[in-house]
Amino acid sequence: KNEVEQSPQNLTAQEGEFITINCSYSVGISALHWLQQHPGGGIVSLFMLSSGKKKHGRLIATINIQEKHSSLHITASHPRDSAVYICAVDGGSNYKLTFGKGTLLTVNP
Amino acid sequence: DTGVSQNPRHKITKRGQNVTFRCDPISEHNRLYWYRQTLGQGPEFLTYFQNEAQLEKSRLLSDRFSAERPKGSFSTLEIQRTEQGDSAMYLCASGMGETQYFGPGTRLLVL
Repeated sequence: KNEVEQSPQNLTAQEGEFITINCSYSVGISALHWLQQHPGGGIVSLFMLSSGKKKHGRLIATINIQEKHSSLHITASHPRDSAVYICAVDGGSNYKLTFGKGTLLTVNP
Repeated sequence: DTGVSQNPRHKITKRGQNVTFRCDPISEHNRLYWYRQTLGQGPEFLTYFQNEAQLEKSRLLSDRFSAERPKGSFSTLEIQRTEQGDSAMYLCASGMGETQYFGPGTRLLVL
């Protein structure tokens, strides 16, 4: 079993829909990261969470430390949101990250 | 551009050849990471430097892999006697606080 599990693996939505991507982890963490990866490889950090909730534009990330679960929400999705969204956890050792497999999001116009 | 840069962006090589990749981190960042990502998977940790010291290596890093960060600036990752299973995206990231900044990656194809 992977230490970081994401669901769904693939998600197709229509423009304007509300999107939720889930992440569960099995290890103790000091922080959880949500990352975005576009075709070609570049990875961009979206959020870093250690508790509660963060919001940036149409993106919202929440974390429940007791349940070892985090969600990434996208409101009013747009085709430019199409990308792979990756959950990663910092186990507290040298800040190195353990990644989920990612969720491929496709938003159709 | 003051982000993390990696060179080359793409590399095609024949099995058995040696390859070397370079990462130039953001200049004030003292931490540098190498990750490997295969198709359809999330990145996996390979190794970590704090300044010039290599402080952690993954079990994934076989004897054919070596990484250096002379003078705590740029880093190189060398793969000797490449195998087809080494085909992957090799990502470098640098950081000073808790956030890591990723480079664009080097995509390696071993024929």
